[in-house]
Amino acid sequence: DTEVTQTPKHLVMGMTNKKSLKCEQHMGHRAMYWYKQKAKKPPELMFVYSYEKLSINESVPSRFSPECPNSSLLNLHLHALQPEDSALYLCASSQLSGSYNEQFFGPGTRLTVL
Amino acid sequence: QQPVQSPQAVILREGEDAVINCSSSKALYSVHWYRQKHGEAPVFLMILLKGGEQKGHEKISASFNEKKQQSSLYLTASQLSYSGTYFCGTETTPYDMRFGAGTRLTVKP
Repeated sequence: DTEVTQTPKHLVMGMTNKKSLKCEQHMGHRAMYWYKQKAKKPPELMFVYSYEKLSINESVPSRFSPECPNSSLLNLHLHALQPEDSALYLCASSQLSGSYNEQFFGPGTRLTVL
Repeated sequence: QQPVQSPQAVILREGEDAVINCSSSKALYSVHWYRQKHGEAPVFLMILLKGGEQKGHEKISASFNEKKQQSSLYLTASQLSYSGTYFCGTETTPYDMRFGAGTRLTVKP
Protein backbone atom coordinates (compact mmCIF):
# COMPACT_ATOMS: atom_id res chain seq x y z
CA ASP A 1 0.00 0.00 0.00
CA THR A 2 1.76 3.15 -1.23
CA GLU A 3 -1.09 5.51 -0.61
CA VAL A 4 -1.68 8.45 1.68
CA THR A 5 -5.36 9.09 2.26
CA GLN A 6 -6.94 12.31 3.44
CA THR A 7 -10.45 13.06 4.60
CA PRO A 8 -12.54 14.97 3.91
CA LYS A 9 -11.84 15.92 0.30
CA HIS A 10 -13.65 19.21 0.68
CA LEU A 11 -14.57 21.20 3.77
CA VAL A 12 -16.50 24.43 4.14
CA MET A 13 -16.52 26.00 7.57
CA GLY A 14 -17.44 29.22 9.27
CA MET A 15 -14.99 31.26 11.29
CA THR A 16 -16.44 30.04 14.58
CA ASN A 17 -16.47 26.34 13.70
CA LYS A 18 -14.18 23.60 14.95
CA LYS A 19 -13.25 20.89 12.46
CA SER A 20 -10.50 18.34 11.90
CA LEU A 21 -8.60 17.06 8.89
CA LYS A 22 -7.42 13.48 8.89
CA CYS A 23 -4.48 11.82 7.15
CA GLU A 24 -3.57 8.14 7.14
CA GLN A 25 -0.75 6.04 5.70
CA HIS A 26 0.14 2.37 6.01
CA MET A 27 3.61 2.39 4.48
CA GLY A 28 5.40 2.22 7.81
CA HIS A 29 6.64 5.79 7.40
CA ARG A 30 7.63 7.49 10.62
CA ALA A 31 7.72 11.08 9.33
CA MET A 32 4.47 12.87 8.52
CA TYR A 33 3.93 16.41 7.26
CA TRP A 34 1.25 19.04 6.87
CA TYR A 35 1.52 21.55 4.03
CA LYS A 36 -0.70 24.43 2.99
CA GLN A 37 -1.00 25.24 -0.71
CA LYS A 38 -2.68 28.30 -2.15
CA ALA A 39 -3.71 28.39 -5.80
CA LYS A 40 -0.76 28.59 -8.21
CA LYS A 41 1.69 28.59 -5.32
CA PRO A 42 4.05 25.93 -3.98
CA PRO A 43 3.23 23.87 -0.90
CA GLU A 44 4.30 25.60 2.34
CA LEU A 45 5.51 23.45 5.19
CA MET A 46 3.43 23.78 8.35
CA PHE A 47 4.35 20.90 10.65
CA VAL A 48 6.56 17.81 10.70
CA TYR A 49 6.14 14.84 13.00
CA SER A 50 8.89 12.28 13.41
CA TYR A 51 8.26 9.20 15.52
CA GLU A 52 4.93 10.75 16.53
CA LYS A 53 6.65 13.79 18.04
CA LEU A 54 6.36 17.30 16.65
CA SER A 55 9.79 18.15 15.28
CA ILE A 56 9.11 21.18 13.08
CA ASN A 57 6.50 23.89 13.59
CA GLU A 58 6.80 26.68 11.07
CA SER A 59 5.37 29.41 13.30
CA VAL A 60 1.87 28.40 12.33
CA PRO A 61 -0.96 30.29 14.12
CA SER A 62 -2.41 28.46 17.10
CA ARG A 63 -5.77 28.14 15.36
CA PHE A 64 -4.11 25.18 13.62
CA SER A 65 -3.36 22.35 16.04
CA PRO A 66 -1.67 19.17 14.80
CA GLU A 67 -1.91 15.80 16.44
CA CYS A 68 -0.23 12.48 15.72
CA PRO A 69 -2.07 9.79 17.73
CA ASN A 70 -0.03 6.92 16.25
CA SER A 71 2.49 6.22 13.52
CA SER A 72 -0.18 5.86 10.82
CA LEU A 73 -2.42 8.77 11.60
CA LEU A 74 -2.07 12.55 11.50
CA ASN A 75 -4.76 15.06 12.33
CA LEU A 76 -5.02 18.80 11.92
CA HIS A 77 -7.52 20.45 14.24
CA LEU A 78 -8.96 23.74 13.04
CA HIS A 79 -10.57 26.41 15.20
CA ALA A 80 -11.54 30.02 14.61
CA LEU A 81 -10.04 30.13 11.14
CA GLN A 82 -9.90 33.18 8.93
CA PRO A 83 -10.97 33.44 5.26
CA GLU A 84 -7.29 33.71 4.27
CA ASP A 85 -6.80 30.18 5.62
CA SER A 86 -8.79 28.86 2.68
CA ALA A 87 -6.39 26.61 0.76
CA LEU A 88 -5.54 23.04 -0.17
CA TYR A 89 -4.10 21.22 2.84
CA LEU A 90 -1.75 18.43 1.89
CA CYS A 91 -0.48 15.63 4.06
CA ALA A 92 2.68 13.72 3.20
CA SER A 93 4.74 10.94 4.71
CA SER A 94 8.30 9.66 4.31
CA GLN A 95 10.64 7.13 5.79
CA LEU A 96 12.89 8.14 8.66
CA SER A 97 15.56 5.51 8.15
CA GLY A 98 18.28 5.89 5.54
CA SER A 99 19.14 8.92 3.47
CA TYR A 100 16.25 8.98 1.04
CA ASN A 101 13.14 10.59 2.37
CA GLU A 102 11.05 11.13 -0.71
CA GLN A 103 7.65 12.29 0.33
CA PHE A 104 4.39 10.66 -0.65
CA PHE A 105 1.53 13.13 -0.77
CA GLY A 106 -2.14 12.59 -0.15
CA PRO A 107 -4.76 14.13 -2.48
CA GLY A 108 -5.40 16.99 -0.08
CA THR A 109 -8.37 18.59 1.62
CA ARG A 110 -9.70 21.70 -0.06
CA LEU A 111 -10.75 24.03 2.75
CA THR A 112 -13.00 27.04 2.35
CA VAL A 113 -13.49 29.37 5.30
CA LEU A 114 -16.51 31.63 5.07
CA GLN B 1 15.16 30.01 2.41
CA GLN B 2 12.88 29.22 -0.54
CA PRO B 3 14.88 27.97 -3.55
CA VAL B 4 14.75 29.91 -6.81
CA GLN B 5 13.34 28.06 -9.79
CA SER B 6 13.55 28.92 -13.46
CA PRO B 7 11.99 29.26 -15.92
CA GLN B 8 8.51 30.10 -14.64
CA ALA B 9 6.86 28.47 -17.64
CA VAL B 10 7.82 26.37 -20.64
CA ILE B 11 5.83 25.36 -23.70
CA LEU B 12 7.10 22.40 -25.71
CA ARG B 13 6.03 20.27 -28.65
CA GLU B 14 6.01 16.52 -28.11
CA GLY B 15 9.49 15.12 -28.49
CA GLU B 16 11.28 18.31 -27.48
CA ASP B 17 13.58 18.63 -24.48
CA ALA B 18 13.49 20.97 -21.50
CA VAL B 19 15.68 21.87 -18.54
CA ILE B 20 14.36 23.26 -15.27
CA ASN B 21 16.74 24.86 -12.81
CA CYS B 22 16.71 25.26 -9.05
CA SER B 23 19.19 27.14 -6.91
CA SER B 24 19.64 27.89 -3.24
CA SER B 25 21.66 30.42 -1.32
CA LYS B 26 22.13 27.92 1.50
CA ALA B 27 24.09 24.68 1.71
CA LEU B 28 21.75 21.86 0.89
CA TYR B 29 21.32 18.40 2.32
CA SER B 30 19.17 17.28 -0.59
CA VAL B 31 17.16 18.38 -3.59
CA HIS B 32 13.81 16.83 -4.49
CA TRP B 33 11.81 17.16 -7.68
CA TYR B 34 8.03 16.73 -7.81
CA ARG B 35 5.40 17.13 -10.51
CA GLN B 36 1.89 18.30 -9.75
CA LYS B 37 -0.95 18.10 -12.24
CA HIS B 38 -3.93 20.39 -11.88
CA GLY B 39 -6.18 19.28 -9.02
CA GLU B 40 -3.84 16.48 -7.98
CA ALA B 41 -1.20 15.90 -5.33
CA PRO B 42 2.52 16.40 -6.02
CA VAL B 43 4.21 13.21 -7.20
CA PHE B 44 7.82 12.36 -6.40
CA LEU B 45 10.22 12.28 -9.37
CA MET B 46 13.77 12.43 -8.07
CA ILE B 47 15.89 13.01 -4.99
CA LEU B 48 19.54 14.04 -5.10
CA LEU B 49 21.70 13.99 -2.00
CA LYS B 50 24.90 15.82 -1.25
CA GLY B 51 27.67 13.37 -1.90
CA GLY B 52 26.29 12.29 -5.24
CA GLU B 53 23.63 9.72 -4.47
CA GLN B 54 20.34 9.96 -6.25
CA LYS B 55 17.15 8.02 -6.64
CA GLY B 56 14.24 8.47 -8.95
CA HIS B 57 12.24 7.41 -11.94
CA GLU B 58 14.14 5.76 -14.80
CA LYS B 59 13.05 8.25 -17.44
CA ILE B 60 13.89 11.29 -15.37
CA SER B 61 17.39 12.65 -15.01
CA ALA B 62 18.72 15.42 -12.85
CA SER B 63 21.98 16.84 -11.59
CA PHE B 64 23.11 18.52 -8.38
CA ASN B 65 26.09 20.85 -8.31
CA GLU B 66 27.05 20.98 -4.64
CA LYS B 67 29.58 23.77 -5.11
CA LYS B 68 26.94 26.06 -6.58
CA GLN B 69 23.94 24.60 -4.67
CA GLN B 70 22.16 24.24 -7.98
CA SER B 71 20.11 21.43 -9.43
CA SER B 72 18.70 20.87 -12.89
CA LEU B 73 15.93 18.54 -14.05
CA TYR B 74 16.25 17.24 -17.60
CA LEU B 75 13.12 16.25 -19.48
CA THR B 76 13.96 14.59 -22.79
CA ALA B 77 11.71 13.53 -25.63
CA SER B 78 8.75 15.08 -23.84
CA GLN B 79 5.34 13.45 -23.93
CA LEU B 80 1.90 14.95 -23.39
CA SER B 81 1.83 13.30 -19.96
CA TYR B 82 4.80 15.44 -18.86
CA SER B 83 2.55 18.51 -18.65
CA GLY B 84 2.13 19.89 -15.15
CA THR B 85 3.88 22.10 -12.64
CA TYR B 86 7.33 21.01 -11.55
CA PHE B 87 8.56 21.94 -8.09
CA CYS B 88 11.99 21.59 -6.68
CA GLY B 89 12.13 21.06 -2.96
CA THR B 90 15.26 21.64 -0.95
CA GLU B 91 16.31 20.52 2.49
CA THR B 92 19.04 22.27 4.43
CA THR B 93 18.36 19.83 7.24
CA PRO B 94 16.46 16.56 6.81
CA TYR B 95 12.66 16.82 6.64
CA ASP B 96 12.63 20.65 6.56
CA MET B 97 11.44 20.99 2.96
CA ARG B 98 11.10 24.28 1.09
CA PHE B 99 9.60 24.36 -2.36
CA GLY B 100 10.47 26.66 -5.22
CA ALA B 101 7.74 28.68 -6.91
CA GLY B 102 7.30 26.04 -9.61
CA THR B 103 7.71 25.74 -13.38
CA ARG B 104 4.57 25.26 -15.44
CA LEU B 105 5.32 22.89 -18.31
CA THR B 106 2.92 22.53 -21.20
CA VAL B 107 3.52 19.89 -23.87
CA LYS B 108 1.52 20.29 -27.06
CA PRO B 109 0.93 17.70 -29.80
